[in-house]
Amino acid sequence: AQTVTQSQPEMSVQEAETVTLSCTYDTSESNYYLFWYKQPPSRQMILVIRQEAYKQQNATENRFSVNFQKAAKSFSLKISDSQLGDTAMYFCAFEPNAGGTSYGKLTFGQGTILTVHP
Amino acid sequence: ETGVTQTPRHLVMGMTNKKSLKCEQHLGHNAMYWYKQSAKKPLELMFVYNFKEQTENNSVPSRFSPECPNSSHLFLHLHTLQPEDSALYLCASSHLAGGGGTQYFGPGTRLTVL
Repeated sequence: AQTVTQSQPEMSVQEAETVTLSCTYDTSESNYYLFWYKQPPSRQMILVIRQEAYKQQNATENRFSVNFQKAAKSFSLKISDSQLGDTAMYFCAFEPNAGGTSYGKLTFGQGTILTVHP
Repeated sequence: ETGVTQTPRHLVMGMTNKKSLKCEQHLGHNAMYWYKQSAKKPLELMFVYNFKEQTENNSVPSRFSPECPNSSHLFLHLHTLQPEDSALYLCASSHLAGGGGTQYFGPGTRLTVL
């Protein structure tokens, strides 16, 4: 079974600054996917960024980037130039790539509440 | 309607009631999911449906009964629930189940069991 750990229950950052959210995971799988999802207050959860474990290059989406350290089983999210709209709960998630048996089974971390202050 | 919709948005029920949650996706996806989000706990996957077939039941108690009549609709039938079942129930869909595809979430149904 997989576990995902987000050790920072809450974080805050000033607008325009950079913040990094931590995520570690434990798995015996060699191939898998990692995700960061964002759940704004009273709004729907949306995907922020996605990483395929077999790709060494870190994923980047505009102001969002990840630091994927496969050997350390670490997958942190860096948000640059933070904006007020980034205020949300952020979830790290893991999906094994075990062929037909994985069936989209996401395992989520506990979440980190990020508050961006003006 | 666009994306993934869920009804009702809020539900209060007694332990002896029977109710149903509804989810509809307007994205042309083939996989649908039910998650439970409790306070201070990670999201828990409950059920996965791929092309209307259930492919995952994550040891969910039988008082929760899912139904997927077609790829666009997903129901969660509730009966004789317990107070600890109070939570936000999220529905999601994706193109296919697995393969690292993005899951698109609905707004959730906030369930309170008295």
